Amino acid sequence: GNSVTQMEGPVTLSEEAFLTINCTYTATGYPSLFWYVQYPGEGLQLLLKATKADDKGSNKGFEATYRKETTSFHLEKGSVQVSDSAVYFCALSDQGSSNTGKLIFGQGTTLQVKP
Amino acid sequence: EAGVTQSPTHLIKTRGQQATLRCSPISGHTSVYWYQQALGLGLQFLLWYDEGEERNRGNFPPRFSGRQFPNYSSELNVNALELEDSALYLCASSLGAGGSNQPQHFGDGTRLSIL
Repeated sequence: GNSVTQMEGPVTLSEEAFLTINCTYTATGYPSLFWYVQYPGEGLQLLLKATKADDKGSNKGFEATYRKETTSFHLEKGSVQVSDSAVYFCALSDQGSSNTGKLIFGQGTTLQVKP
Repeated sequence: EAGVTQSPTHLIKTRGQQATLRCSPISGHTSVYWYQQALGLGLQFLLWYDEGEERNRGNFPPRFSGRQFPNYSSELNVNALELEDSALYLCASSLGAGGSNQPQHFGDGTRLSIL
């Protein structure tokens, strides 16, 4: 079945450091890929998305490129802030021969940014 | 524009009781999804409703059920509560029948605690 694998956390960085959170996926068909962020005590917020190969999603300084050849969707940010501390989830839309409606999530990566 | 709203924020029950969780989607969204976020198990898909019909359900026992009302709001019912049902239950909504181009937008969740 379809699956998403994220790098193990926690990731601890100093403010203004470069961030990469790795995400790889296994899927049949042509899923869309998403990054969601969860701040403490809150639900998930959509951070960015990409719907086809080579698409780049971007938002709030975060970027991720849909790489079909490496089945990856790594999240990057050039300069992190303390306010970026949260849990980040990579997800794909589960679409094989039919639309199941569900998102398949990675296990989440905790990011902690220190001043 | 109001986001996805869920109630109650917290719910405390004892084993064997029944719980009802409620969700109001973003205005104009017709699809509603439920996910369980349990400690150590990540985010698991529970149910998908669209236009009042159950379209798909995840790998959960029948004591997890729900419905969608004509105004597209939804409720999740969990019968015969067990300790392992303790989790954050997240509701999401999307415009149309949740395909690859219709991202899911999440509420802040209901924290269900079973004593």
